[in-house]
Amino acid sequence: RKEVEQDPGPFNVPEGATVAFNCTYSNSASQSFFWYRQDCRKEPKLLMSVYSSGNEDGRFTAQLNRASQYISLLIRDSKLSDSATYLCVVTKYNFNKFYFGSGTKLNVKP
Amino acid sequence: DVKVTQSSRYLVKRTGEKVFLECVQDMDHENMFWYRQDPGLGLRLIYFSYDVKMKEKGDIPEGYSVSREKKERFSLILESASTNQTSMYLCASIPAHSSYEQYFGPGTRLTVT
Repeated sequence: RKEVEQDPGPFNVPEGATVAFNCTYSNSASQSFFWYRQDCRKEPKLLMSVYSSGNEDGRFTAQLNRASQYISLLIRDSKLSDSATYLCVVTKYNFNKFYFGSGTKLNVKP
Repeated sequence: DVKVTQSSRYLVKRTGEKVFLECVQDMDHENMFWYRQDPGLGLRLIYFSYDVKMKEKGDIPEGYSVSREKKERFSLILESASTNQTSMYLCASIPAHSSYEQYFGPGTRLTVT
């Protein structure tokens, strides 16, 4: 079983739409959670960390549900520039290993 | 501003060749990583290093080796390249005891023919 699973998409949404992605992780000992963004043919870059209390950064909201072992990313008022692949990332206690999901592709259309 | 550089963006090699991929970071990070990224499989960890001359196997080390002679440089070696090693290779670094952001290099797209 994969450590981290994501729906690959693609999610095709119009500009202005609200879209949500979920990601599940298999190891209950996982400690830190992140969403990374990867543009086509580019390297992944940190979008935001995910805290137990949930956190928001502008149009982006991340939530963690430890009981069900999933994290979510909500994007409000989608922009064309949000088109990218969103990677869910989980680390365990020693922080030396980061487990990446295979990514969810988002296409925002005019 | 953290910078992670990789020696080549695109590389084409023949089956059986020995291939060196170089990664250099300029932020004095202790931990460095090599991943490969394939469609549908995401990023998979090949090797990581938490100090000079220290290395640990990741999830898919077979067919690869690494070298870390200096803190800023982490090299991935394909001893005898095979077509199933055609992939995007990404290097990353992070400070010791940090669970925050991994900084990635731009990637090397390796094609083995």
